[in-house]
Amino acid sequence: DAMVIQNPRYQVTQFGKPVTLSCSQTLNHNVMYWYQQKSSQAPKLLFHYYDKDFNNEADTPDNFQSRRPNTSFCFLDIRSPGLGDAAMYLCATSIPTGRAETQYFGPGTRLLVL
Amino acid sequence: AQTVTQSQPEMSVQEAETVTLSCTYDTSESDYYLFWYKQPPSRQMILVIRQEAYKQQNATENRFSVNFQKAAKSFSLKISDSQLGDAAMYFCAYRSGYGGATNKLIFGTGTLLAVQP
Repeated sequence: DAMVIQNPRYQVTQFGKPVTLSCSQTLNHNVMYWYQQKSSQAPKLLFHYYDKDFNNEADTPDNFQSRRPNTSFCFLDIRSPGLGDAAMYLCATSIPTGRAETQYFGPGTRLLVL
Repeated sequence: AQTVTQSQPEMSVQEAETVTLSCTYDTSESDYYLFWYKQPPSRQMILVIRQEAYKQQNATENRFSVNFQKAAKSFSLKISDSQLGDAAMYFCAYRSGYGGATNKLIFGTGTLLAVQP
């Protein structure tokens, strides 16, 4: 089945130790998004790729970076995780239709920072 | 800036009964889209239903329907004949119709729905 896959589902890292979360998709969608969802809060967009074009949200901390080596894969790099970065990270994809595009979400990676 | 508010952190419904989840939003735009997403425990978020602001008719998808009140900026979700599989976190989301094809979703904080057998 075509889908959005996130690995790992749970990630534990140490304070200040770089960590990479991965997302892959078999939908062949142009756009890939990364959202951060903290406990009891709304998911918040960090950035997205439209093909190779990277679009950063204005309030996304510099500590968060992303890479998209090809259509299928997108990575979220957290250079120096702090305790406040513990959250669920959601990857989503879409085809930009110009109107009511649907975003397809992966199951998320829950990041714990010790 | 647009905001989405879900004032019910948790709701409970008996199996086979009907439940309504509330959502209000704030925007100065006239062209936008509203969505309800369902996030089951440990599973991915999936789209339940979508409403385009320029359409007056309320969207319906099987047991799911919305009550879209544009003037009041209200977008509630009604689940009829509730089933155990409906238990999940439900997010209301807003997307602008301006500015390009990849406008972000702005989510509310979610309503956790429990379905009692």
